[in-house]
Amino acid sequence: GDSVTQMEGPVTLSEEAFLTINCTYTATGYPSLFWYVQYPGEGLQLLLKATKADDKGSNKGFEATYRKETTSFHLEKGSVQVSDSAVYFCALSKGYQKVTFGTGTKLQVIP
Amino acid sequence: GAVVSQHPSWVICKSGTSVKIECRSLDFQATTMFWYRQFPKQSLMLMATSNEGSKATYEQGVEKDKFLINHASLTLSTLTVTSAHPEDSSFYICSARPPGQDIEKLFFGSGTQLSVL
Repeated sequence: GDSVTQMEGPVTLSEEAFLTINCTYTATGYPSLFWYVQYPGEGLQLLLKATKADDKGSNKGFEATYRKETTSFHLEKGSVQVSDSAVYFCALSKGYQKVTFGTGTKLQVIP
Repeated sequence: GAVVSQHPSWVICKSGTSVKIECRSLDFQATTMFWYRQFPKQSLMLMATSNEGSKATYEQGVEKDKFLINHASLTLSTLTVTSAHPEDSSFYICSARPPGQDIEKLFFGSGTQLSVL
């Protein structure tokens, strides 16, 4: 079945550091790929998405590129802030079907 | 934006008791809601799809008699963990999607941490 693998956390970075959270997937067909973010005490929120190969999703300074050849969708941000501290989930979906999530990666940014 | 409210945010119960978790869509009607579970260091796994006015659809390996789902109205779905045991301790999250919207329009509750003693 479909699956998503993302790097284990927690990831601790200093403010303004470069962030990469790795995500790879296994799926048949052509899934859409997502990154969700969960801030403390809140529900998961869609951060960005990409629906086909080579698409780049971006939002709030975060970017991820849909790489079909490496089945990856790594999340990057050039300069993290303390307010980016949260748990990040990589996910995939096909059409209206269920969403398959990774394990989540906790990011802690220290001043 | 659309909000999904989930209560309680955490609950501790004794083994053998039942626990009810509520999931409400606050500003849209949700004919379908989803219940997920996450064990430590594991993926967020879909447990069941809750359908308003009909029976829930359970994923393979999820006991429907243990995890009772009731979607009695267009804004409320409940998950009841019956005769809870320590192995049911987990993080439970609900989600809902406005009718006719793509999967990216999925809104999540803040989750319920269940600890069974």
